[in-house]
Amino acid sequence: DAMVIQNPRYQVTQFGKPVTLSCSQTLNHNVMYWYQQKSSQAPKLLFHYYDKDFNNEADTPDNFQSRRPNTSFCFLDIRSPGLGDAAMYLCATRATGGYGYTFGSGTRLTVV
Amino acid sequence: RKEVEQDPGPFNVPEGATVAFNCTYSNSASQSFFWYRQDCRKEPKLLMSVYSSGNEDGRFTAQLNRASQYISLLIRDSKLSDSATYLCVVNEPWTGGTSYGKLTFGQGTILTVHP
Repeated sequence: DAMVIQNPRYQVTQFGKPVTLSCSQTLNHNVMYWYQQKSSQAPKLLFHYYDKDFNNEADTPDNFQSRRPNTSFCFLDIRSPGLGDAAMYLCATRATGGYGYTFGSGTRLTVV
Repeated sequence: RKEVEQDPGPFNVPEGATVAFNCTYSNSASQSFFWYRQDCRKEPKLLMSVYSSGNEDGRFTAQLNRASQYISLLIRDSKLSDSATYLCVVNEPWTGGTSYGKLTFGQGTILTVHP
């Protein structure tokens, strides 16, 4: 029944080693979002896709990239993770004209 | 100024208590409003939407005052299972003028209900 699936649930990566987080959805929603949530902080929007159109938040570091090869999948690439990038990464989807957002269960990233 | 600002908390209340959370938002063009609940190390989950007329869902009542840009959540008869972080969330229009917007979250208020 899971509709927005994030893999893996937990990811440990080495400082400076590229890492990719994935999100897939079975809802056929046009819009997909990536949020970063650090400990005791609010989720913060990194970027989103409207179909294949990519929209970056102004303060998202260049170290973060994203790919959306098709409607169902979206990837978050962190090119050179630093200790400060340790966080929960949340994927969410929404249909245009729709009301609700659907969140995945998140990937918790640890940088060692 | 934060875009969405909440009571800092934490709130520590006994079972059966009534507790209220407040939230203000800065973008007057915000279109829709929500309360989300987040359990420790889990994703946020929608608790309820907030309408101008006020709305109730069981023990939970939400209010919106657009003129004051203020949102509230009231929890009556608190249960142990209500212990969580409550996030005030605002749907802001995307600057590109599209119809789908983006969610902006408050920092959250931690609620602990004790026996």
